[in-house]
Amino acid sequence: EVQLLESGGGLLQPGGSLGLSCAASGFTFSSYGMSWVRQAPGKGLEWLSTISGSGDYTFYAESVKGRFAISRDNSKNTLYLQMNSLRAEDTAVYYCARPTGYCDSINCFAYGMDVWGQGTTVTVSS
Amino acid sequence: DIQVTQSPSSLSASVGDRVTITCRASQVISNHLAWFQQKPGKVPKLLIYAASTLQSGVPSRFSGSGSGTDFTLTISSLQPEDVANYYCQKYNNVPWTFGQGTKVEIK
Repeated sequence: EVQLLESGGGLLQPGGSLGLSCAASGFTFSSYGMSWVRQAPGKGLEWLSTISGSGDYTFYAESVKGRFAISRDNSKNTLYLQMNSLRAEDTAVYYCARPTGYCDSINCFAYGMDVWGQGTTVTVSS
Repeated sequence: DIQVTQSPSSLSASVGDRVTITCRASQVISNHLAWFQQKPGKVPKLLIYAASTLQSGVPSRFSGSGSGTDFTLTISSLQPEDVANYYCQKYNNVPWTFGQGTKVEIK
C-alpha cells in the first residue's frame, strides 16, 4: 500500500525551530518529487515546497523561502522539512504529498498530487 | 506569479443538482491543473488531474474540463457525501498555487 506518514509536529514559541519528517512506503521513493503543503486553522491549502526525486532541486513558496528547508534521504525513504524562525502564522497542519510530475533546475511541472499523508500539527504560540 | 481565482467561495444545492465550480488562471497553464476534495477534518483527496482525467476510484459524477486559463469541476448529481471543500491547484510552474476553495453544502 502506498503510504506517507508525517511526524515531528508540536507546540513551540515564536522564533523557534522544528523539523518534520515524512516516511514513505509502497512505492519507489526516489522516482518521485515530493512536496509539503500546509493548512492553517479554518483556512485553505498552501503549497510550501517541492524537491526533485534526486534531491538536487528544491523550490519554495515566498512565504517560507529562507526560513524553511526541504530535503530527502532516499536511502531511508524519508522526506524532511526543517522550519526555522517560526512565526504564529506558521501554525497549521503540515502535509507531505506526492506529485506526479518532473523537476529540473529551473522549474517543477506536475499534473496533480495523488498521495497525501495524514498531516502533523505545528502550533507556534507564546 | 500566476494567480488562480476560484469561484464561488461557497454554494448550496439540492441533492441531485448539477454543481459547477470554476478556476481561472491569470496566465495560460495548459492542462496543469488538479481538483481536490477535502471533507471536514480529513486529508485532501485528488479528484481530477491534468484538468480532465478522473483519478482512479473517484465516482464518475465528478468531471473536469478546460485548458489554458479557464477550468471547471462539475458534479453531475450532487450527493450528501459530496459535502466538502473543493480546491483547484495549478502545476505548470512553481509556485503551485491553490485556489481559495469552494465550500459545497446541501440545501
